Amino acid sequence: AQSVTQLGSHVSVSEGALVLLRCNYSSSVPPYLFWYVQYPNQGLQLLLKYTSAATLVKGINGFEAEFKKSETSFHLTKPSAHMSDAAEYFCAVSDLQGAQKLVFGQGTRLTINP
Amino acid sequence: DTAVSQTPKYLVTQMGNDKSIKCEQNLGHDTMYWYKQDSKKFLKIMFSYNNKELIINETVPNRFSPKSPDKAHLNLHINSLELGDSAVYFCASKPRGYNSPLHFGNGTRLTVT
Repeated sequence: AQSVTQLGSHVSVSEGALVLLRCNYSSSVPPYLFWYVQYPNQGLQLLLKYTSAATLVKGINGFEAEFKKSETSFHLTKPSAHMSDAAEYFCAVSDLQGAQKLVFGQGTRLTINP
Repeated sequence: DTAVSQTPKYLVTQMGNDKSIKCEQNLGHDTMYWYKQDSKKFLKIMFSYNNKELIINETVPNRFSPKSPDKAHLNLHINSLELGDSAVYFCASKPRGYNSPLHFGNGTRLTVT
């Protein structure tokens, strides 16, 4: 079955610094991968998704992610962090065996320091 | 014009009570889900319905019973609530296709005292 692992439950960066949130996947077939963001007391909002059309995927709010098959990774980046980026970020993979569902990573809490 | 809406947003109740959470989506999706988010933010799927038919039931205690009167609605009823049921419950819907994302509601924070 497909799965994802997010390295680092908490990442802290300064405002204006590079944001890098790590996600590694496990899949025997080309995966469908997603990044979601959850702001406090809200539901999850789609940031971007990888569906094999291009390895570099651009999302909302200046985020992007690069699919690297050789590293089984789909890390999320943003060149310059804003205070408003503080949130919980989830990587997810579509489970291709059986019924359609998304399997989520453990989440990474991003803190932005002024 | 909320896409996936859940009610109530907050639910505080005592152990042993029975409660329901309602979910409606106006996106025309065939598939709906219930996810549970625990205190450590971990998201775990509970149930999924496709066009009113149960397709996923992930080892959830039978005190939890989903009901889908039509493909736009998926409700969750919980009997004999326990302290460990305290969590945030998210409803979501999804169009067809493995590359389609989930659309989430804003969650229902259930607190059992």
